[in-house]
Amino acid sequence: DVKVTQSSRYLVKRTGEKVFLECVQDMDHENMFWYRQDPGLGLRLIYFSYDVKMKEKGDIPEGYSVSREKKERFSLILESASTNQTSMYLCTSGTPSTSYNEQFFGPGTRLTVL
Amino acid sequence: ILNVEQSPQSLHVQEGDSTNFTCSFPSSNFYALHWYRWETAKSPEALFVMTLNGDEKKKGRISATLNTKEGYSYLYIKGSQPEDSATYLCAPRMDSNYQLIWGAGTKLIIKP
Repeated sequence: DVKVTQSSRYLVKRTGEKVFLECVQDMDHENMFWYRQDPGLGLRLIYFSYDVKMKEKGDIPEGYSVSREKKERFSLILESASTNQTSMYLCTSGTPSTSYNEQFFGPGTRLTVL
Repeated sequence: ILNVEQSPQSLHVQEGDSTNFTCSFPSSNFYALHWYRWETAKSPEALFVMTLNGDEKKKGRISATLNTKEGYSYLYIKGSQPEDSATYLCAPRMDSNYQLIWGAGTKLIIKP
């Protein structure tokens, strides 16, 4: 079974703090994605990566950065957390070769910024 | 930005009743459509992927149909059970783009 893990299920941070969210997958997937999910909205893509050291901006990259130094790990960084970044963050991984790019989800991190 | 709409946003159904909900997406440049189920406190899990107009997929009491010409998919649940309570997400993939475009989901609540 594909396993995608995220570093924390719940996280509380203060405005202005630097926040690291980590995602690790164990299936050697090329593609990894970071989304945020807010009530009433679909998953919104923040950043994605097709390979090590590669990163692409999604629909809402402002206020975020990412790092992919190893194939299995994709980190989302909030340089200076703000209250409007309070959200559920979901990491996914996938490979183009399976099922029309099915994505496998981590458990999510619910981040609260005070 | 491509628009994917799911309706209704939420749905309360009596246990034993059948129900269905809709995913609408742009019909041009369609490549594939994914349905996921997201239960509370769990990760979303894939239900179906469909690619061809007229496709119908079935998994137990849950089935889905696809109309690529008009840009919609229906998800049906027959004889709803409490374990069907979840948010159902649809996500089309357009062309050969690696990204999926996510709907906001339909939250289904089964009343015993």
